[in-house]
Amino acid sequence: SQKIEQNSEALNIQEGKTATLTCNYTNYSPAYLQWYRQDPGRGPVFLLLIRENEKEKRKERLKVTFDTTLKQSLFHITASQPADSATYLCALRMDSSYKLIFGSGTRLLVRP
Amino acid sequence: DADVTQTPRNRITKTGKRIMLECSQTKGHDRMYWYRQDPGLGLRLIYYSFDVKDINKGEISDGYSVSRQAQAKFSLSLESAIPNQTALYFCATSGPHPKQGITSTDTQYFGPGTRLTVL
Repeated sequence: SQKIEQNSEALNIQEGKTATLTCNYTNYSPAYLQWYRQDPGRGPVFLLLIRENEKEKRKERLKVTFDTTLKQSLFHITASQPADSATYLCALRMDSSYKLIFGSGTRLLVRP
Repeated sequence: DADVTQTPRNRITKTGKRIMLECSQTKGHDRMYWYRQDPGLGLRLIYYSFDVKDINKGEISDGYSVSRQAQAKFSLSLESAIPNQTALYFCATSGPHPKQGITSTDTQYFGPGTRLTVL
């Protein structure tokens, strides 16, 4: 069966460290993968997109990698800040579909 | 003003009642979506629409119906609410209709959500 897995346990890190979140998938061949941020009680907000033929994408303190062989994406936040505390969702888009399939998200807590 | 708005923001209702959740957008997008979010289950797609005449079921459409009144408006109805429909509901929009042949990344823009409680 098709699955998208994100670590359900919260990631708790010290301010200034790099946070690394994982998104694994099985039985999908996504055209691209997106990462969203969600704050409590609010809708997800788009952060970054990476295509199947791209290895890495950066935006300011954010970096996303995409390994289609391992079927895994890593999402990094460098020099993390308490304001980065939120839930981060990954989402896959199949080439033949106009829908996104979302993971359940990982909560990040950055301690001051 | 927000690009994607949802009303109401919170609603408490009783089992068996009919409920309508409304979504409006000013982004000019053709595609609109309704999701529900439950703790630990992530976002699950209920219905999606590519224009007023193109409406499709998502993975969990049973017990729900939708209406696309205009390009900018997409409503979700619970004909007879039940307690396991208690959840956070999100509307989202993305790009042009696929038939336009315009490449789109399907980045979705979400509304603020409606918290629905069915007693």
